[in-house]
Amino acid sequence: QKEVEQNSGPLSVPEGAIASLNCTYSDRGSQSFFWYRQYSGKSPELIMFIYSNGDKEDGRFTAQLNKASQYVSLLIRDSQPSDSATYLCAVNPGGFKTIFGAGTRLFVKA
Amino acid sequence: SAVISQKPSRDICQRGTSLTIQCQVDSQVTMMFWYRQQPGQSLTLIATANQGSEATYESGFVIDKFPISRPNLTFSTLTVSNMSPEDSSIYLCSAGMGGGAGNQPQHFGDGTRLSIL
Repeated sequence: QKEVEQNSGPLSVPEGAIASLNCTYSDRGSQSFFWYRQYSGKSPELIMFIYSNGDKEDGRFTAQLNKASQYVSLLIRDSQPSDSATYLCAVNPGGFKTIFGAGTRLFVKA
Repeated sequence: SAVISQKPSRDICQRGTSLTIQCQVDSQVTMMFWYRQQPGQSLTLIATANQGSEATYESGFVIDKFPISRPNLTFSTLTVSNMSPEDSSIYLCSAGMGGGAGNQPQHFGDGTRLSIL
């Protein structure tokens, strides 16, 4: 069974802090990794994708991938109350299907 | 990224009836996907719809209950048949960008919030 694991949270951080969201996956052959943000009552929105080991930065977001440890993370710098949402980690283990984690709820306190 | 339009956005239906959800993509895509999301839960894949072939269903989902059409590269429908209150959920369609290769991200429609009385 291919799995993607996330801490359900909620993760609470003060405004302006760095939020760190973590994800592990079970299929060592996975090649593609995605982070989605989902506001309550809305559909998931892609915010980052990463394919290679290391860091990938886009604005306030940084995705980090460590394939040896089967670990992917998302850092949100200068967190804002508008970042409060559920963040879904998703992994493509090969083929056309993507496996989604259960999500981590983030709450940014003003 | 592609724009994915899904309708209806919500509906309230009587048990025993069926509802067809439509999903339109503004560009041609190889793979489209249908998910269900219960409140507070993550996404559960119902089936993968590839144009020109039968949909591939995940364990626990069958064609008689969730028939899918994929008549062309921009459109798909999901029917929820003989509905019961257990079918109350949000149904989401998504499309794999970049020609549908698995390593490309999926983008989602706005979802259909379905309630069965």
